[in-house]
Amino acid sequence: GAGVSQSPRYKVAKRGQDVALRCDPISGHVSLFWYQQALGQGPEFLTYFQNEAQLDKSGLPSDRFFAERPEGSVSTLKIQRTQQEDSAVYLCASSAREKGGELFFGEGSRLTVL
Amino acid sequence: GENVEQHPSTLSVQEGDSAVIKCTYSDSASNYFPWYKQELGKRPQLIIDIRSNVGEKKDQRIAVTLNKTAKHFSLHITETQPEDSAVYFCAASLGGGADGLTFGKGTHLIIQP
Repeated sequence: GAGVSQSPRYKVAKRGQDVALRCDPISGHVSLFWYQQALGQGPEFLTYFQNEAQLDKSGLPSDRFFAERPEGSVSTLKIQRTQQEDSAVYLCASSAREKGGELFFGEGSRLTVL
Repeated sequence: GENVEQHPSTLSVQEGDSAVIKCTYSDSASNYFPWYKQELGKRPQLIIDIRSNVGEKKDQRIAVTLNKTAKHFSLHITETQPEDSAVYFCAASLGGGADGLTFGKGTHLIIQP
């Protein structure tokens, strides 16, 4: 595709609900990243995939957060039993290279937990 | 892990003047330093990057300098224009590339007409 696509763009969830956020990276991009951006803050790293392998999940804040990229293309970030502190913009980014490549971001999914 | 500090948090300059945003990093092994521009409600976009084997890089009105000894790097925008108004993020990476980027908290640049 023309760029990184994320859906939904906006999600409102009640506390305790599960949510799933989808990322379609640029076709052929090897690397995929998820970041969490709180209001007025910089993006914070959550997890990194190289093809279908999740090489780094050190940034996931709790075991309620889970990400997958089963076929090395589309990725889903799932948040179980959402809490108010999960409210943020979740940014997906992809890169053509394993290392040293430019990061292309999606528009983000804005999650609001009530 | 890496820690990136960015200053100032807000910067207001007159149109046509220069703007400078500064970042420091903690891990001397970091070797890739990109800068991203994010307009309100939009995605971050790479505007310039520098690697540790280079001290300065310029692209038209934008330049980045890197001082590895002091572990700081700066973004310089000359002849600022209204469309430069945005939030700018610096970042540092240990991996020499896009993986494992640690971002600063951002600088809101306001260009006054």
